[in-house]
Amino acid sequence: GAVVSQHPSWVICKSGTSVKIECRSLDFQATTMFWYRQFPKQSLMLMATSNEGSKATYEQGVEKDKFLINHASLTLSTLTVTSAHPEDSSFYICSARGQMYEQYFGPGTRLTVT
Amino acid sequence: KQEVTQIPAALSVPEGENLVLNCSFTDSAIYNLQWFRQDPGKGLTSLLLIQSSQREQTSGRLNASLDKSSGRSTLYIAASQPGDSATYLCAVRGNTPLVFGKGTRLSVIA
Repeated sequence: GAVVSQHPSWVICKSGTSVKIECRSLDFQATTMFWYRQFPKQSLMLMATSNEGSKATYEQGVEKDKFLINHASLTLSTLTVTSAHPEDSSFYICSARGQMYEQYFGPGTRLTVT
Repeated sequence: KQEVTQIPAALSVPEGENLVLNCSFTDSAIYNLQWFRQDPGKGLTSLLLIQSSQREQTSGRLNASLDKSSGRSTLYIAASQPGDSATYLCAVRGNTPLVFGKGTRLSVIA
C-alpha cells in the first residue's frame, strides 16, 4: 500500500525560531500533497494544498508567509513554520494524493513551541 | 462549503456491545466518504472508503453505509473490544480535499 512518512515525528522549539517538517511519499509519486493541522480534541483542518512545481494554495485564514510550503519533487513536500509562537503548537499531518484521488496520510508531527 | 458533523462526540460502552457511529454532511455532491481511526497522539488509519456509487463497505467487524442523497453515513462496529478504543473520524471528498468531522471518541470498557 501507499506509505507517507513525516519527519520529525515530534519537535520542540523556542519561540521565534523556524521549524521545517518533511512529508514524503515513499512508494508512489504525488503531484499533490495536503497539509492539515489538528489542535487537541479537534478535527483536522486543511491548511494548504501543495502542487509539485508550483505555489501552494492556502486556505482562508492561513498565513502563507508564516507557513512556507515547498513541493520541489514528486515525493517530497516541506512545511516550514517561521518565527514560531506558542499558539503554533499543534499536530501537523500531511497527506499525499494517489492516482485515484484517494488521500494517504502521514503519521503526523507534534510541534511544541516554548 | 461542506460541513461534516459526527454524533455522538463521545461514547463509552462495555466490551462486546454492537455500536453505531453517525456522520452527516451538508453537500451531497461527494466523490467518496472515508472512515478513519486515530489513536491519541497518532496519525490516521484508514478503515473504510465508500465511493459515491456504493451503499456500504465491510471490513471484518466494521460495516460502513452511505446514503448520499440524505447526506448520511454510519459506521457499525460489531462485538466491540477494548482495542477499538480510539477517535473515529469521518471525512468526505467532493471537489476539495477531504473535509473532516470532529470525530467520535470511543471507549470500550473491559
